[in-house]
Amino acid sequence: NAGVMQNPRHLVRRRGQEARLRCSPMKGHSHVYWYRQLPEEGLKFMVYLQKENIIDESGMPKERFSAEFPKEGPSILRIQQVVRGDSAAYFCASSPPVEARNNEQFFGPGTRLTVL
Amino acid sequence: SQKIEQNSEALNIQEGKTATLTCNYTNYSPAYLQWYRQDPGRGPVFLLLIRENEKEKRKERLKVTFDTTLKQSLFHITASQPADSATYLCALDLPTGFQKLVFGTGTRLLVSP
Repeated sequence: NAGVMQNPRHLVRRRGQEARLRCSPMKGHSHVYWYRQLPEEGLKFMVYLQKENIIDESGMPKERFSAEFPKEGPSILRIQQVVRGDSAAYFCASSPPVEARNNEQFFGPGTRLTVL
Repeated sequence: SQKIEQNSEALNIQEGKTATLTCNYTNYSPAYLQWYRQDPGRGPVFLLLIRENEKEKRKERLKVTFDTTLKQSLFHITASQPADSATYLCALDLPTGFQKLVFGTGTRLLVSP
């Protein structure tokens, strides 16, 4: 069973360009979480999605950032008009569709975004 | 304000000793607390989960305690090995209706041979 996959692993963008980060959850997982990790800082929750639904986006900046998890295909975190402050590691995590709230989250290897 | 504090300074210990890492929090009431390990350039990996009504949890050489009165969790690695060198993150699982994790900044552990 393949783990959580993220691509690209490294992404370089110039200011003003768009960044698209992809996350394929583990097989059978229908819950996806996105986190951002800045140097020397902890992981910060951004958004929680289930298939075709955004459940909580309280950690996501209101402007320029959006996320989706379509019925088919990977989850996408999209950052429009990137700025230098968006440079960070972005991690995706997934968990299975069970009611128990003691599930661990399975993390991908992350996408390191560098904005020039 | 809400805070999760882990010792930002690296913890250096010798192989074979017990490493103890601390996680303190304020103004949170977590239902669970989790510990993760993160190696450079990689995503976090789950280690242990402890519920609010549990005092202690063990898994092989790992032990976690959870004191909701002190608002503190301690994470112990006994008989530490150089391969245990990594950053260890504590995460609070808040009772929000879904699994919302709030992470500390992590403590870097260095185990010398």
